[in-house]
Amino acid sequence: NAGVTQTPKFQVLKTGQSMTLQCAQDMNHEYMSWYRQDPGMGLRLIHYSVGAGITDQGEVPNGYNVSRSTTEDFPLRLLSAAPSQTSVYFCASSGQAMNTEAFFGQGTRLTVV
Amino acid sequence: AQTVTQSQPEMSVQEAETVTLSCTYDTSENNYYLFWYKQPPSRQMILVIRQEAYKQQNATENRFSVNFQKAAKSFSLKISDSQLGDTAMYFCAFMKGETSGSRLTFGEGTQLTVNP
Repeated sequence: NAGVTQTPKFQVLKTGQSMTLQCAQDMNHEYMSWYRQDPGMGLRLIHYSVGAGITDQGEVPNGYNVSRSTTEDFPLRLLSAAPSQTSVYFCASSGQAMNTEAFFGQGTRLTVV
Repeated sequence: AQTVTQSQPEMSVQEAETVTLSCTYDTSENNYYLFWYKQPPSRQMILVIRQEAYKQQNATENRFSVNFQKAAKSFSLKISDSQLGDTAMYFCAFMKGETSGSRLTFGEGTQLTVNP
């Protein structure tokens, strides 16, 4: 009964380094998305996907890439980390029916120094 | 674009008392959904309650209820008989009717502390 699994839970990067935040769900959900959470700003949508092979930009996509090769996985890539990307990152998934609940992973706390 | 505003960054309440968290939103959509999420110190996002805009009746879930005023674009959360475990950050969120539940617009959050 895993739900949405994010790895790693914590990460420290140096400016300019690259990394991939992993997200996997085992509920056969079509919809997946990535958010970042910053103090005083709530959660903001970075990228989302409505199915395998289909992705689109959210509110704050700059500096991040995504791909969706399978229904289960939706990794988020930082190609060249910047201190402004220090944040807590959440992955979420939901089914196709309207108004279905979004299930969130436990989050990844990323610090870029 | 939609916006969600939570004007109370922090609130506190005594155990067993009632507290109301405020949320206002702006949208030109007529079909949408509103949610309250709870984020305890564990960081997990937990759905507390949801409201469909086309429903006039306010949603309730045990000790949690909402006051949905569509014309005023207001969506407040009332927590009755507050418990220590209710201490958390609370987020109000909006979703357009034609999108899925994982594309949400969030407010800034309200940190609620329940005091013994």
